[in-house]
Amino acid sequence: EAQVTQNPRYLITVTGKKLTVTCSQNMNHEYMSWYRQDPGLGLRQIYYSMNVEVTDKGDVPEGYKVSRKEKRNFPLILESPSPNQTSLYFCASSLIGHSYNEQFFGPGTRLTVL
Amino acid sequence: SQKIEQNSEALNIQEGKTATLTCNYTNYSPAYLQWYRQDPGRGPVFLLLIRENEKEKRKERLKVTFDTTLKQSLFHITASQPADSATYLCALERGGNKLTFGTGTQLKVEL
Repeated sequence: EAQVTQNPRYLITVTGKKLTVTCSQNMNHEYMSWYRQDPGLGLRQIYYSMNVEVTDKGDVPEGYKVSRKEKRNFPLILESPSPNQTSLYFCASSLIGHSYNEQFFGPGTRLTVL
Repeated sequence: SQKIEQNSEALNIQEGKTATLTCNYTNYSPAYLQWYRQDPGRGPVFLLLIRENEKEKRKERLKVTFDTTLKQSLFHITASQPADSATYLCALERGGNKLTFGTGTQLKVEL
């Protein structure tokens, strides 16, 4: 089944404790992206990657890191989480060079930083 | 700055009626616009795409229009059903495979 998976689905942590949220897709998509979703603000892009070893900042990259060492994986790293990073996070992937970039989203990771 | 507006108030309609959701934007010239459905606690799911040179697109009970002069897209669900209840997001292309999403409109279809 074609899908984007994220782990963990739920995470409660404390300020300053480094964490990684994993994202993996099995559709051989070049493009992968991370979003956060907050009430009243909609989906905002954090980072994106056009291919392996190619990453770039989205609209709200502060406090986050990413890496793209393999095509299928795109982990999101919070080196020192803070309470304002409490949010619902989505990973998404799509083809590049397609006539349009329909994005396939993962199931989401709900993060609470205390 | 670029801005996308969707009605933040929930839209309540009766089963069988046509639901119409609005997406307005400013300071964009998108090559295409997409609509997604999102259920509570789940990731958005792609529904339809419409390009700037298309006026209307249909898929089963769904219809999307795109007026680049008014900078507006309308999303219609005909013969609505309770299963159509969800939040609907519009997303505009802004180059380089990047999308900017609206905040979404919640639709509730009542029996």
